[in-house]
Amino acid sequence: GESVGLHLPTLSVQEGDNSIINCAYSNSASDYFIWYKQESGKGPQFIIDIRSNMDKRQGQRVTVLLNKTVKHLSLQIAATQPGDSAVYFCAENMFSGGYNKLIFGAGTRLAVHP
Amino acid sequence: DAGVTQSPTHLIKTRGQQVTLRCSPISGHKSVSWYQQVLGQGPQFIFQYYEKEERGRGNFPDRFSARQFPNYSSELNVNALLLGDSALYLCASSPSVIGENIQYFGAGTRLSVL
Repeated sequence: GESVGLHLPTLSVQEGDNSIINCAYSNSASDYFIWYKQESGKGPQFIIDIRSNMDKRQGQRVTVLLNKTVKHLSLQIAATQPGDSAVYFCAENMFSGGYNKLIFGAGTRLAVHP
Repeated sequence: DAGVTQSPTHLIKTRGQQVTLRCSPISGHKSVSWYQQVLGQGPQFIFQYYEKEERGRGNFPDRFSARQFPNYSSELNVNALLLGDSALYLCASSPSVIGENIQYFGAGTRLSVL
């Protein structure tokens, strides 16, 4: 079936440490993935995306890794800051029948401690 | 530039009532998608509209309907409200429905059904 799930529901880190959030997906035909950050009371905010023809993509303080062999994604946040505290979702973009939809997992809560 | 805007921010209804939620996409975006996010879960796809036509529908009952206007804004309607309809309703816009389009989300409408 269609599912995108996360390995860890909650991740606690110290300010300044690096954070790694993991995600598994089930549809081997998926070719586009997006990470979103959702702060309390707000909608999901785009962080970074990656296409299936890539295995790594870097942004500002964030890196996404894609392992198609084991259908696994990870989001790495360097030098984690208190403002990074939020729920993080990976989403699988599925295009079928002339439209696309995002399949989200349950999310991982990142708590950054000073 | 303004992002995706949704109204109202919060809404309280009773069982059996009907509700209309509104969304204005990012300027230049022609596609609007609606998602339902139950507390503690990831968003679930409801509809996608493009150029005023419904392009896709998720696994939601016929009580849920939507439409898109010539200016690309959209409304989501839910009839005969149930307690289980209580959720955050998110609207997302993207330039198109073809290919790898990032969907940008609004802050959502928090619906409480009593």
